[in-house]
Amino acid sequence: NAGVTQTPKFQVLKTGQSMTLQCAQDMNHNSMYWYRQDPGMGLRLIYYSASEGTTDKGEVPNGYNVSRLNKREFSLRLESAAPSQTSVYFCASSEEVQGGIQYFGAGTRLSVL
Amino acid sequence: SQQGEEDPQALSIQEGENATMNCSYKTSINNLQWYRQNSGRGLVHLILIRSNEREKHSGRLRVTLDTSKKSSSLLITASRAADTASYFCATRNTGGFKTIFGAGTRLFVKA
Repeated sequence: NAGVTQTPKFQVLKTGQSMTLQCAQDMNHNSMYWYRQDPGMGLRLIYYSASEGTTDKGEVPNGYNVSRLNKREFSLRLESAAPSQTSVYFCASSEEVQGGIQYFGAGTRLSVL
Repeated sequence: SQQGEEDPQALSIQEGENATMNCSYKTSINNLQWYRQNSGRGLVHLILIRSNEREKHSGRLRVTLDTSKKSSSLLITASRAADTASYFCATRNTGGFKTIFGAGTRLFVKA
């Protein structure tokens, strides 16, 4: 039972490059989320998808796009990476009937040079 | 801005002592959750308390919620070195799908 799987685990980009972070969950959850975590800080919500076919902006959406590919998969794309996007990115999923308890992946550590 | 604010930012105690962390929030909530994060790992859910509950227990964890003061506390009793981690409170707003996390309390338990 894998839970939430994120790929890649580590990535180094040059300013202006693009990349997509992948996330998949096998718990049949309706809701999925992308967060970023900067040193010494909590998680800030980038985008979320309350259900398949819907996506909404969170607290810090600028510079990112998302795709809810199907119920299992929710990807995060950086079109033109900037040093300010150096962070650890976490994907999570939840089910509303459980009160929105979030299940997290292991994270992607991204450095933009 | 973040909904939950934890206090203290960092806490260092001896093994066997109790650790108390506090969380304040700003708006009406559906529930409040506490999570733990070990260094370099993802967050793990610890306990959820609903807005109509005042206290909840899970093993060595005790959570209280005071909706009139918009605050919650997490007590870890008889702490162990393995409890060393960051602890985050997170609020689920009424009618929303978003969970908003605080900045966390870093707990260090000395053996």
